[in-house]
Amino acid sequence: ELKVEQNPLFLSMQEGKNYTIYCNYSTTSDRLYWYRQDPGKSLESLFVLLSNGAVKQEGRLMASLDTKARLSTLHITAAVHDLSATYFCAVDSGMRFGAGTRLTVKP
Amino acid sequence: DAGVTQSPTHLIKTRGQQVTLRCSPKSGHDTVSWYQQALGQGPQFIFQYYEEEERQRGNFPDRFSGHQFPNYSSELNVNALLLGDSALYLCASSYQAYEQYFGPGTRLTVT
Repeated sequence: ELKVEQNPLFLSMQEGKNYTIYCNYSTTSDRLYWYRQDPGKSLESLFVLLSNGAVKQEGRLMASLDTKARLSTLHITAAVHDLSATYFCAVDSGMRFGAGTRLTVKP
Repeated sequence: DAGVTQSPTHLIKTRGQQVTLRCSPKSGHDTVSWYQQALGQGPQFIFQYYEEEERQRGNFPDRFSGHQFPNYSSELNVNALLLGDSALYLCASSYQAYEQYFGPGTRLTVT
């Protein structure tokens, strides 16, 4: 059974700092997705990673995929309060989601 | 483009009842997936419809069934509701199962 593990599950960081969220998965998959969810809201697509070595960046967020290591990372650069949300990775094998990383950015 | 729409927004049902949730996909999308998200957890994949057929199914009992119409809209039906079915139900649409766009969700409360 496919397992998707995110860590950390909770992350409190100060504005201006950098941090990385990790997403490990247990079986081969060629697609990995990152989503953002604000409290009480639906999911917003951030990145779709389609191949080994894929790297995508949007603003202060950068996602990468290593299919050999079965690992994706979401790197946050110089965090700002607006990035506070829950971030999910999902693997395209029955669209299995991780448990989510609840990020809080403090001034 | 209205994006993915879902109805109703909120719903309260009693144990044992049946419920139908509806989803209209984003324009140009042909694939609809349904997810259940319990409070504080990640979405759980229920099933995916493409060309009016169920293409994939997650680990959900037969009480959960669905349908896709020729216009690509979809329904999720849940029979014999349990308290544990209380959750946010999310619909997502895509073009041939590529990038998914999520609707706002239907909050179901079972009492």
